[in-house]
Amino acid sequence: AQSVAQPEDQVNVAEGNPLTVKCTYSVSGNPYLFWYVQYPNRGLQFLLKYITGDNLVKGSYGFEAEFNKSQTSFHLKKPSALVSDSALYFCAVRVLMNTGFQKLVFGTGTRLLVSP
Amino acid sequence: ETGVTQTPRHLVMGMTNKKSLKCEQHLGHNAMYWYKQSAKKPLELMFVYSLEERVENNSVPSRFSPECPNSSHLFLHLHTLQPEDSALYLCASSQALGTESYEQYFGPGTRLTVT
Repeated sequence: AQSVAQPEDQVNVAEGNPLTVKCTYSVSGNPYLFWYVQYPNRGLQFLLKYITGDNLVKGSYGFEAEFNKSQTSFHLKKPSALVSDSALYFCAVRVLMNTGFQKLVFGTGTRLLVSP
Repeated sequence: ETGVTQTPRHLVMGMTNKKSLKCEQHLGHNAMYWYKQSAKKPLELMFVYSLEERVENNSVPSRFSPECPNSSHLFLHLHTLQPEDSALYLCASSQALGTESYEQYFGPGTRLTVT
């Protein structure tokens, strides 16, 4: 089955330190990969996506993600974490349905906690 | 109003009640989605509509009934729900299915509690 995996339920980092939230994928063909963030009592917000091209993708709020085909990974990174980055982060992959349409399949989410 | 809005934000209902969730998108998109978000579980895609036509129904029980009267509005009609249906229900929209730029835009969700 085509899917993404987020191996960490929670990531703790001190403010000002670099952060990494991990995601690995399993798809047939070329992957279309996404990161979303969810703040408390809010819906998911789009951060960035990888379709083709440069392996390093830059997104909103200073986040970036590195696509690594050999390791089938798409880790989310930020050079210097802020307390306000504390939230739930979801990795997702585009999957083609039998109907010919597309859908996104999400990981289980990783809670990021940035301490002052 | 901008983006994707959902009403109500919170809903408590008994197992014999009938209620509806409403979603409206102000982005000019023509695909809309319902998701269920439960604690410790991945987001579950429930229904997908493209140009008001349902294109995906992920084996959702018939006690959930979607309706898409136009490309801006999406409803989820609820009846005789079970306590395990308590969750956050998220609506999303995107440009037409099949395009490369596939990011979805989400509403804030409706927190549903079934008693």
